[in-house]
Amino acid sequence: AQSVAQPEDQVNVAEGNPLTVKCTYSVSGNPYLFWYVQYPNRGLQFLLKYITGDNLVKGSYGFEAEFNKSQTSFHLKKPSALVSDSALYFCAVRAFNDMRFGAGTRLTVKP
Amino acid sequence: NAGVTQTPKFQVLKTGQSMTLQCAQDMNHEYMSWYRQDPGMGLRLIHYSVGAGITDQGEVPNGYNVSRSTTEDFPLRLLSAAPSQTSVYFCASSYRTDFNTETQYFGPGTRLLVL
Repeated sequence: AQSVAQPEDQVNVAEGNPLTVKCTYSVSGNPYLFWYVQYPNRGLQFLLKYITGDNLVKGSYGFEAEFNKSQTSFHLKKPSALVSDSALYFCAVRAFNDMRFGAGTRLTVKP
Repeated sequence: NAGVTQTPKFQVLKTGQSMTLQCAQDMNHEYMSWYRQDPGMGLRLIHYSVGAGITDQGEVPNGYNVSRSTTEDFPLRLLSAAPSQTSVYFCASSYRTDFNTETQYFGPGTRLLVL
């Protein structure tokens, strides 16, 4: 079965600095990869996805993600973090009528 | 569009009680699903449906039943609640059956506490 791993429970960055939230995946066949964000007491909101094509995917709120097939990674990035980016971020992989999420990474951006 | 709606927002049950979590979407989405979210475990798929009258099991289906009589509604039933079912439940939907590539839209969640 497919799976994703988010190796960091918590990421702390200063406002204005670049941020990276890491994700690695395991899937047989083509990987369909997603990033979602969850704000407190809210449902998940879609940020971006990789289906095929360009390895650099641009998404909502200035986020982007880099797909690396050789390293089986799909790291989420943003050039300049905002305090409002503080939230819980989930990586997910979708295949065969199933969707598997990582455990989540809590991003805290400090002023 | 209201998107994906869930009721109730919060529920407390006693062990052994039954209840139904409601989920509805007004986007004419074919695919609907239920997840539970537990600390440190991300979201896990409980059941899903690719259209009215069609349901299937996900990663953690035990203790839950679903049905899909209409495109809009996808209720989740707990027949005999257990403390292990204390969790936050999310419903999601997506437009096409080829949902490997489609974005899922999530409801606001139902927080369930089983005593």
